[in-house]
Amino acid sequence: EDQVTQSPEALRLQEGESSSLNCSYTVSGLRGLFWYRQDPGKGPEFLFTLYSAGEEKEKERLKATLTKKESFLHITAPKPEDSATYLCAVQGNYGQNFVFGPGTRLSVLP
Amino acid sequence: DSGVTQTPKHLITATGQRVTLRCSPRSGDLSVYWYQQSLDQGLQFLIQYYNGEERAKGNILERFSAQQFPDLHSELNLSSLELGDSALYFCASSVGQGQGAGQFFGPGTRLTVL
Repeated sequence: EDQVTQSPEALRLQEGESSSLNCSYTVSGLRGLFWYRQDPGKGPEFLFTLYSAGEEKEKERLKATLTKKESFLHITAPKPEDSATYLCAVQGNYGQNFVFGPGTRLSVLP
Repeated sequence: DSGVTQTPKHLITATGQRVTLRCSPRSGDLSVYWYQQSLDQGLQFLIQYYNGEERAKGNILERFSAQQFPDLHSELNLSSLELGDSALYFCASSVGQGQGAGQFFGPGTRLTVL
């Protein structure tokens, strides 16, 4: 069974204080690993797809990396508007389902 | 704005009732997915349709059903509602059959069962 865990559950950063969020997964053949951002009461917003170990993707202050067992979302010099819940999801080769992790709730203080 | 629309935004109903949630995917997307998000369960995949046909099934209850119409919009029907069905219901869409493609989510329908 495909599984996704995320850590930490919650993270508070000062503006400009860089950090990383972790997504650990088990899947029967990875078809894709996905990062989403979700603001309270809104739908998740697609950020990145990673397909194979060693792959990296960047968007503004965010950089996602992938190994065979986990993915990291690095946040460089975050701003208060980066505050949100960040969700990780995987899709395995033997299923069409997307399995989401519980998310990391990020707060960036000014 | 993701381009995915969902109606209604809010729905309040009573136990035992039946409701229908509606979703229109992004222009050009053939796949539609339904998810349930509650505080204790996180985001749970329910079902996927691709070009009118059921493609994948997740943790969808027998009381729930969905369909995708020829114009590609989709409806999620929830019947014999229980208090525990109160949640945010999201629709998402993607290009193709969703194999390795990111999904684009709508704003959600908040269902409250009293």
